[in-house]
Amino acid sequence: EAGVTQFPSHSVIEKGQTVTLRCDPISGHDNLYWYRRVMGKEIKFLLHFVKESKQDESGMPNNRFLAERTGGTYSTLKVQPAELEDSGVYFCASSQDRKSGGAVFYNEQFFGPGTRLTVL
Amino acid sequence: AQSVTQLDSQVPVFEEAPVELRCNYSSSVSVYLFWYVQYPNQGLQLLLKYLSGSTLVKGINGFEAEFNKSQTSFHLRKPSVHISDTAEYFCAVSVPRRATNKLIFGTGTLLAVQP
Repeated sequence: EAGVTQFPSHSVIEKGQTVTLRCDPISGHDNLYWYRRVMGKEIKFLLHFVKESKQDESGMPNNRFLAERTGGTYSTLKVQPAELEDSGVYFCASSQDRKSGGAVFYNEQFFGPGTRLTVL
Repeated sequence: AQSVTQLDSQVPVFEEAPVELRCNYSSSVSVYLFWYVQYPNQGLQLLLKYLSGSTLVKGINGFEAEFNKSQTSFHLRKPSVHISDTAEYFCAVSVPRRATNKLIFGTGTLLAVQP
């Protein structure tokens, strides 16, 4: 079974340009997450999709970031216009739909290799 | 709000020596705890997790971690490391039963195993 894939693996753009990152989750996973790691800092949550709906976008930095998941399959994250501080590694993760049962309410998130974005 | 602290940004260790990577967290509610590992040019991989039950959890590749609620810690240990354990290790928490089980990560610890 294929894992989470991300494209491109690297992107170098100039300030003011637009970049679109793509994430393909594991087939059948309804939950899709975007995270970002700025160099030397922690990996930070950006947003969470359940199928095509945004469940939580509290981590999105500002309105220059637009995430979509049309049809509930792959997702794109567009940065427009890019700024220097947007540089970092963008990770995508997916998990199965959460099931209740007992006290445990957890589904493992599987991560992609990340996209390294450099804004010059 | 929750936060995770990994005080050691880098831990050098010789092959076959024991290692402990430290993780402390802050939360006003109960959390799930995780350790992820990132090998060079790869995505994050779940090493182990604590959801409930026994406070000593064992993971892949001979790693284990102990949840200490009074000290709000979840330190990762391995009795004897290999060169192949060289990677970056991330501690993370999530809040159970929230609508989104987003992960809150620490800043990571780079484990550098030397021959």
